[in-house]
Amino acid sequence: EDQVTQSPEALRLQEGESSSLNCSYTVSGLRGLFWYRQDPGKGPEFLFTLYSAGEEKEKERLKATLTKKESFLHITAPKPEDSATYLCAVKVSYKYIFGTGTRLKVLA
Amino acid sequence: DAGVIQSPRHEVTEMGQEVTLRCKPISGHDYLFWYRQTMMRGLELLIYFNNNVPIDDSGMPEDRFSAKMPNASFSTLKIQPSEPRDSAVYFCASSLRRLAGENTGELFFGEGSRLTVL
Repeated sequence: EDQVTQSPEALRLQEGESSSLNCSYTVSGLRGLFWYRQDPGKGPEFLFTLYSAGEEKEKERLKATLTKKESFLHITAPKPEDSATYLCAVKVSYKYIFGTGTRLKVLA
Repeated sequence: DAGVIQSPRHEVTEMGQEVTLRCKPISGHDYLFWYRQTMMRGLELLIYFNNNVPIDDSGMPEDRFSAKMPNASFSTLKIQPSEPRDSAVYFCASSLRRLAGENTGELFFGEGSRLTVL
């Protein structure tokens, strides 16, 4: 069965304290791994797509990496405005399967 | 583009009532997805359409749930009769089959419809 697991469930960081979020997956026929940010009361907002092991994408303080079994979202020197839930999803055929997310809180 | 538009944003109803949620996808997108989000289970795929045709409805929890897409710009998710355990946020999302160039095949989500069944 296709499965996506995110860890940790919740993370509290001090402003400027770098860390990484993990997304591990077991799927047959990966057609892309996606990272999203979700703010309270909003729909998920697209951040990155990764397609092959070794690929990396960066945007401001965020960098996403991909291996054959997992993806990491690295947050460098986070700010309070980075507080949100971060979701990863895998695309299998034309279906997108989501993990349950990591709730990130960055304290000033 | 206005993005994916969902209505209503909030719905409070009594158990046993019929609920209809509506979605307008991004113009030109050929895939439409309905998801349900709860704290316990996260985002669950209910059903998705390609070119208005339902492709996979294996995530629809039971016969009380039905979804239609009569044309490329409109879809509905109906719950009849509704039950308290249906309380959740329902998201509609659309995407374009990945092509060469800037399109990366990601999902674009609406703001969601928060359903509360009393």
